[in-house]
Amino acid sequence: GEDVEQSLFLSVREGDSSVINCTYTDSSSTYLYWYKQEPGAGLQLLTYIFSNMDMKQDQRLTVLLNKKDKHLSLRIADTQTGDSAIYFCAEGGSGGSYIPTFGRGTSLIVHP
Amino acid sequence: ETGVTQSPTHLIKTRGQQVTLRCSSQSGHNTVSWYQQALGQGPQFIFQYYREEENGRGNFPPRFSGLQFPNYSSELNVNALELDDSALYLCASSHDREEKLFFGSGTQLSVL
Repeated sequence: GEDVEQSLFLSVREGDSSVINCTYTDSSSTYLYWYKQEPGAGLQLLTYIFSNMDMKQDQRLTVLLNKKDKHLSLRIADTQTGDSAIYFCAEGGSGGSYIPTFGRGTSLIVHP
Repeated sequence: ETGVTQSPTHLIKTRGQQVTLRCSSQSGHNTVSWYQQALGQGPQFIFQYYREEENGRGNFPPRFSGLQFPNYSSELNVNALELDDSALYLCASSHDREEKLFFGSGTQLSVL
C-alpha cells in the first residue's frame, strides 16, 4: 500500500476553514511536511513539523500531528481563492535520510 | 538569492530516444534531488546527489542516471525513453542534505 495517504479532493467556500488530512506508515519519520503545488508550477514548502511536536502554527496554517495514529493534518484558516492548489503531505527523516516521500496530493477547490 | 532553475521547461521526444534535463541549485545549496511526477500522482524520488556523489536512489531502472557538477548544478539523463516516462521532472535543492527542499518549476517531458 501507499506510504502516505491523502484524500484526493476537498471543496470549501471562501472564508471557511479547510482541513486536509494525511496518514503515513513510517513511525520513524523525523519530519512531516506540507507542500503546495499550483498549476504548472513546482512544489512550494508550506510548513513542516518535527516528529516530537504535536502542533505548529504559522499565520493561517496550523499543523496537527498525532504520532500514535500516524495522522497529520493541515488547517488553513479563512481560506481564500488563491489557496486553490494541490497540497502534498510528505514524510522524511527515517534512518537519517531527509528525502521526503510524498502522498498523491489533495486538490483544494475554493469557491467564491 | 537565486532559486532553483530547470531547463528546458517543456520537451517532446519519441520512444527510444535519450534526454538530458538540467537543474541549477539554489545559491548556497550543495544537494540536489530529482523527482518524477506523473499526471495525478505525487512526486516519486529518483535519486539524490550530494557533493557530486549519488547519495540515495529510488526504485528507478539504471537507464535513469545523473550527474552533479562542482558548481552543484545537476543533470538527469534518461536513455531508451518509454511512453511511461512522460511526466513532470522536478529538481529540488537543499543544504547539506537538510530537511528543507526547495523545488524548481520542473521540466514537462512528453514521450510519443
